[in-house]
Amino acid sequence: SAVISQKPSRDICQRGTSLTIQCQVDSQVTMMFWYRQQPGQSLTLIATANQGSEATYESGFVIDKFPISRPNLTFSTLTVSNMSPEDSSIYLCSVGREVYNEQFFGPGTRLTVL
Amino acid sequence: AQSVAQPEDQVNVAEGNPLTVKCTYSVSGNPYLFWYVQYPNRGLQFLLKYITGDNLVKGSYGFEAEFNKSQTSFHLKKPSALVSDSALYFCAVRAGNTNAGKSTFGDGTTLTVKP
Repeated sequence: SAVISQKPSRDICQRGTSLTIQCQVDSQVTMMFWYRQQPGQSLTLIATANQGSEATYESGFVIDKFPISRPNLTFSTLTVSNMSPEDSSIYLCSVGREVYNEQFFGPGTRLTVL
Repeated sequence: AQSVAQPEDQVNVAEGNPLTVKCTYSVSGNPYLFWYVQYPNRGLQFLLKYITGDNLVKGSYGFEAEFNKSQTSFHLKKPSALVSDSALYFCAVRAGNTNAGKSTFGDGTTLTVKP
């Protein structure tokens, strides 16, 4: 399995500000992903973080709102920009190991926007 | 397109009784199926997967799931529930020719095991 850590674990932010969430993996992985889990709802894939190139965003998510960096094979950041209360969610980092057809998730960052 | 349905928002069982958490899916091509568990204030933990082979898959913490192709189902089961099994359970599916991040998750089922 992969050990994934996220910072911060939670935060309370004001409307209009931005928050950057960090994801660190204990080993090199090819595939890293960012998900959102809104209150009482399931997981929604935001984007695939590609090392050395721009992230690939899913329908409904755009780079200006959720810029992503992936400087190496063990680290990624997700920024939630110009936040509104609707952005209040748990944001989860995930990595995939294709060889084992497995996907592992970080502990999540619980964001509340006032 | 792919989708997952977890028809029950909530499942309640008594400790020691068998439990079943239902999942049905729709996907083009061969399905890869997964179950995850989420404890309060924690991330998702992988429980088990079906990729190919035996329809009955055994996973962590005594859980198992049965792949039924004709019914497009992948129900999660455990012969004897524990209070500590109380958590939120997610079923997920993806087509075999897609990458690991392309899974579609169900809405989740809250399992409550009472002493």
